[in-house]
Amino acid sequence: EVVLTQSPATLSLSPGERATLSCRASQNVDNYLAWFQQKPGQAPRLLIYDASNRATGIPARFSGSGSGTDFTLTISSLEPEDFAVYYCQQRKTWPPLTFGGGTKVEI
Amino acid sequence: EVQLLESGGGLVQPGGSLRLSCVASGFTFRNYAMSWVRQAPGKGLEWVAAISGSDDRTFYPDSVRGRFTISRDSSENTLYLQVNSLRSEDTAIYYCAKAWTHTNMVLEYWGQGTLVTVSS
Repeated sequence: EVVLTQSPATLSLSPGERATLSCRASQNVDNYLAWFQQKPGQAPRLLIYDASNRATGIPARFSGSGSGTDFTLTISSLEPEDFAVYYCQQRKTWPPLTFGGGTKVEI
Repeated sequence: EVQLLESGGGLVQPGGSLRLSCVASGFTFRNYAMSWVRQAPGKGLEWVAAISGSDDRTFYPDSVRGRFTISRDSSENTLYLQVNSLRSEDTAIYYCAKAWTHTNMVLEYWGQGTLVTVSS
């Protein structure tokens, strides 16, 4: 099973600042990594797929990078609506599909 | 517009069973892989089942294999998750999600979820 470790667990920032979130895989997942955003009381929303491709309707301030075992989600300038929990997920080696434990971006 | 609407959750005693449903619209349901993902209160996301598009192969993690069964009725555009022998640790919101293609498990659309509470 591929274990995804996200860091930090919590990121405390202000609107306008840059956010850098990390996801590390226990084995190579090539670029088969996605990022999701989840706000309280809502379902997860796909942000990034295949490590660096923005999903439909996702603003350009969200970008993803990395391959193999180390991945990064960057939010270039935080908007108030970006404060949420972010999860990474791999589909290289499944079952099982696996998710990271999440990073909470808070004010 | 893709829409996914889950139902069937509720309060159930340990050892009990439920059948969760997810009605899909806005796409050709039978052609796409679908998944169920759950989230325990205050916790992260856990994948619990998937079914491929076109040939309906099913997949499970070890944690639920033998207790959970995913299926679909393409004539009704409905995805199901039969959950048996429920335990307190199965308490969670259960989301259905549409995959990118018949086998590509990019989970691009999610429903709003249905809450399952296992308690005596």
